[in-house]
Amino acid sequence: DTGVSQDPRHKITKRGQNVTFRCDPISEHNRLYWYRQTLGQGPEFLTYFQNEAQLEKSRLLSDRFSAERPKGSFSTLEIQRTEQGDSAMYLCASSFAAGREGYTFGSGTRLTVV
Amino acid sequence: QQQVKQSPQSLIVQKGGISIINCAYENTAFDYFPWYQQFPGKGPALLIAIRPDVSEKKEGRFTISFNKSAKQFSLHIMDSQPGDSATYFCAAISSGNTPLVFGKGTRLSVIA
Repeated sequence: DTGVSQDPRHKITKRGQNVTFRCDPISEHNRLYWYRQTLGQGPEFLTYFQNEAQLEKSRLLSDRFSAERPKGSFSTLEIQRTEQGDSAMYLCASSFAAGREGYTFGSGTRLTVV
Repeated sequence: QQQVKQSPQSLIVQKGGISIINCAYENTAFDYFPWYQQFPGKGPALLIAIRPDVSEKKEGRFTISFNKSAKQFSLHIMDSQPGDSATYFCAAISSGNTPLVFGKGTRLSVIA
């Protein structure tokens, strides 16, 4: 287990299409986070899971976004009816409970909506 | 509402010089302050972190200075090298279940 893996690395989609991203966290970590990062900005929190339970969702997470973490392992983030404003880097991170020692981030999925 | 304010937005430093990036926060419940380094096409990577019970933490060429009363903390990179050229983010978190919050980042360029 070498870190947090995200797939795909890049995704280009047409406006209105649905997309799904996958994140595989560090296996020992029970918390998994999704962040969004736009050009020139810091990562913005979207949602997080502790094991399979989704504990918090940001107001940035509109009803077109849904995230799951079945069985407390990998997670998926789905965006329905994509809009150009959804173009961003979607970052996944994992940590031990409460994240007191920092988060480990994946390399992200770059989404471009055309 | 920006919970952690970071400056400057960009910074150019000569090789061998000192890079200084500053952050300020308002939420006194924050009790862990990490700095992340991000290279293009990569996710942020934890660089160094500090808790508010100490005023300074040093790891190699990287030092965090922390001023609890002013609610400010800064990253100092000594003997800056071209390989340090990256975007740096300060962040903060409080105990409990709130997620890590990030500053907007500082793009550092170290020129020879």
